[in-house]
Amino acid sequence: QVQLVQSGSELKEPGASVKVSCRASGYTFTSYSMSWVRQAPGQGLEWMGWINTNSGSPTYVQGFTGRFVFSLDTSVSTAYLQISSLKAEDTALYYCARGRGFCSSSNCYFDYWGQGTLVTVSS
Amino acid sequence: DIQMTQSPSTLSASVGDRVTITCRASQSISSWLAWYQQKPGKAPKLLIYKASSLESGVPSRFSGSGSGTEFTLTISSLQPDDFATYYCQQYNSHSPKLTFGGGTKVEIK
Repeated sequence: QVQLVQSGSELKEPGASVKVSCRASGYTFTSYSMSWVRQAPGQGLEWMGWINTNSGSPTYVQGFTGRFVFSLDTSVSTAYLQISSLKAEDTALYYCARGRGFCSSSNCYFDYWGQGTLVTVSS
Repeated sequence: DIQMTQSPSTLSASVGDRVTITCRASQSISSWLAWYQQKPGKAPKLLIYKASSLESGVPSRFSGSGSGTEFTLTISSLQPDDFATYYCQQYNSHSPKLTFGGGTKVEIK
């Protein structure tokens, strides 16, 4: 069965970096795009962008450029989200989500989700 | 960006009730709409895609309808497992950004 398993919670100081992993199983990793979705405490869902799992090419939406990097290791069917220069407002749950459809033209939705990784930024 | 507005933000209902949640788009999105259910501490779960297509494995008491700018998610007979927060998401290719509604929390009355 399809599973997306994310790395565990992280507590980081402001200014530090964090790398969240999302390991996929149960399907051909390169057949579906992978997106990242943020959920701030008590808030709704916000799409951060996606990565083409064939080419490795990432696309970031406005508000998630500069400090956010999506990457892959296709040899282990894993997607990564790295956030640098962490700020308190980055404190949130971060989900990876498998895209169904054409994320390249913002025409996709999400059929499988990781369990979420809580990133807490605090001194 | 296309704005998605859900109503109500909170809904109190009893087991067995028929429940309807509305999602409005700031511009036409044809039928490019998905619905998700999220329980506390869990990831969202896909219920409906393309406005009215039921995802495999989702109980038939869930249904979706609408097109253009107004959409509804209906639970025909609310079950104890259905108390959760529900989100709509538009995926119209004419918008550069996928966007979600603010969520509707279904609570026990």
